[in-house]
Amino acid sequence: EVVLTQSPGTLSLSPGERATLSCRASQSVTSNYLAWYQQKPGQAPRLLIYGASNRATGIPDRFSGSVSGTDCTLTISGLEPEDFAVYYCHQYGNAPQTFGQGTKVEIK
Amino acid sequence: EVQVLESGGGMVQPGGSLRLSCAASGFTFSNYAMVWVRQAPGMGLEWVSSITNSGGGTYHADSVKGRFTISRDNSKNTLYLQMNSLRAEDTAIYYCAKQGSGGGWFWESWGQGNLVTVSS
Repeated sequence: EVVLTQSPGTLSLSPGERATLSCRASQSVTSNYLAWYQQKPGQAPRLLIYGASNRATGIPDRFSGSVSGTDCTLTISGLEPEDFAVYYCHQYGNAPQTFGQGTKVEIK
Repeated sequence: EVQVLESGGGMVQPGGSLRLSCAASGFTFSNYAMVWVRQAPGMGLEWVSSITNSGGGTYHADSVKGRFTISRDNSKNTLYLQMNSLRAEDTAIYYCAKQGSGGGWFWESWGQGNLVTVSS
């Protein structure tokens, strides 16, 4: 099984700052089948990115994803108040599909 | 508008059974794979089970294999999860979700979740 390790566990930033979230896979993810989700307290996850770098419908362009080998990154170019949440990476290229443990982006 | 709505959760004793349902609307249900993902209290997301658009292919996590069964009725636009031999560690919010429109086993539209509590 592909283990996804997200870092940092918590990211403390101010609105307007740039957030860089990392997700490292224990092995190469087939065809860059990597997604990112945002989850706010009491809400369902929301798809942000699929295929490592494709924004889902309605997702602002301040969210971007990239991959280099087994390292995947979600970047939020300038944090808005509504962006403070938990973010999960998800690989769906290797069975079984797996999720990272999450990174919490909190207000500093 | 795409909507998926879970129902059927609740409290059950260890060893008991529950069936979750997920009613879908706003899209052609039979065209999309579906999934159940769960989240234990205060924890992250865990994939549970997936099913192809036709229902011909089903997949389960090792943690639930032999106890849970995913199925769908395309004539009713409904997804199911039959959960047997429930354990305390199955306590979680269970989400159903629809496959992304771009293809691939990522999950584009999620329900609000349904709490399952396994406790004596």
